[in-house]
Amino acid sequence: AQKITQTQPGMFVQEKEAVTLDCTYDTSDPSYGLFWYKQPSSGEMIFLIYQGSYDQQNATEGRYSLNFQKARKSANLVISASQLGDSAMYFCAMRELNQGGKLIFGQGTELSVKP
Amino acid sequence: SQTIHQWPATLVQPVGSPLSLECTVEGTSNPNLYWYRQAAGRGLQLLFYSVGIGQISSEVPQNLSASRPQDRQFILSSKKLLLSDSGFYLCAWSGGSAQGVAEQYFGPGTRLTVT
Repeated sequence: AQKITQTQPGMFVQEKEAVTLDCTYDTSDPSYGLFWYKQPSSGEMIFLIYQGSYDQQNATEGRYSLNFQKARKSANLVISASQLGDSAMYFCAMRELNQGGKLIFGQGTELSVKP
Repeated sequence: SQTIHQWPATLVQPVGSPLSLECTVEGTSNPNLYWYRQAAGRGLQLLFYSVGIGQISSEVPQNLSASRPQDRQFILSSKKLLLSDSGFYLCAWSGGSAQGVAEQYFGPGTRLTVT
């Protein structure tokens, strides 16, 4: 069974607008972490934001915030005030503590920011 | 600060030839190390991970192998490459503690084309 699902293969957003990238996950482990990574065309994976399963508040990092809805098992990434440089692939990933340090990745969402 | 290096950046190899990709980490000790492969337009697939020198866990049965001869060195190898081995190979590291849910930091990647 797929553990990380990103249902949006591609998305467009107008520059300066906000955009939400969807991610749902499946786990029976009560302790887990959720991550978002950005992969520009250069290929490097850039860590953006992290949410722990026991965190009470949604994580925020600058223009990135993670909308964590534990009961729905969703961890959507919100990018505010989109910039042209935000155009990239975005991957959601999960780490289960009982699985050591392994990350399981979703298939990614390609975000294109229009000027 | 920590940095992670991978080389070569690109590689074109014929079917049946051997492979050796190297990854080194600076600025940290006893990291967890990971090898991922990314097929074109797809998410990342974990191939191997290591929690210490000589300790390798394989996630996917294949003709690839990994070794960790030194604390901060991780090598991906093959004796005979297959066409299906083509892809983008990424090395990553995370904090070595078994507690917590540390984020992984990725190297620049190696783009391998098997012809």
